[in-house]
Amino acid sequence: DAMVIQNPRYQVTQFGKPVTLSCSQTLNHNVMYWYQQKSSQAPKLLFHYYDKDFNNEADTPDNFQSRRPNTSFCFLDIRSPGLGDAAMYLCATSTLDGSYNEQFFGPGTRLTVL
Amino acid sequence: DQQVKQNSPSLSVQEGRISILNCDYTNSMFDYFLWYKKYPAEGPTFLISISSIKDKNEDGRFTVFLNKSAKHLSLHIVPSQPGDSAVYFCAAMANYGQNFVFGPGTRLSVLP
Repeated sequence: DAMVIQNPRYQVTQFGKPVTLSCSQTLNHNVMYWYQQKSSQAPKLLFHYYDKDFNNEADTPDNFQSRRPNTSFCFLDIRSPGLGDAAMYLCATSTLDGSYNEQFFGPGTRLTVL
Repeated sequence: DQQVKQNSPSLSVQEGRISILNCDYTNSMFDYFLWYKKYPAEGPTFLISISSIKDKNEDGRFTVFLNKSAKHLSLHIVPSQPGDSAVYFCAAMANYGQNFVFGPGTRLSVLP
């Protein structure tokens, strides 16, 4: 089945220790998104790639970086995680083709910062 | 400043009855709206959408109503089933844009 896969599902890191979250897709979508979701809050868009074009949200901290080496994979790098970065991180994909299209989400990675 | 609001954090409904989940938005540029359902430990899954040129869209037990003048939309689930228990997110986008804006979600509990 075509899908959005996130690894790992659960990640524990220490305060200040860099961590990388992974997302892959078999949908061949040209747009990939990273969201941060904290408990009882709306998913908050961090950034997205339209093909290789990186689009950062204005309020995304510099601590968060992303890489998209190819169509299928996208990574979220947190350079120095703080306690406030503990959250669910959701990857999503979509097609941008001049029409309205829904986003397809992965299961998320829950990040714990000790 | 929340552009998409879901003012009810939770809702409980008896099995077989109607569930009505509400969503309000402030940005008049939004022209496409979606509802997502999220189970614990899973990512959100798309449920139903509506374009601003319509005021109603129906898919099986799920109907979305849009009132543009009030900047309000609602999701009706009839009849509600225990498997519908989940968090429901309202989302909006503008002009075939790449980005959605999500509301904070409403947790629906359907009681047997």
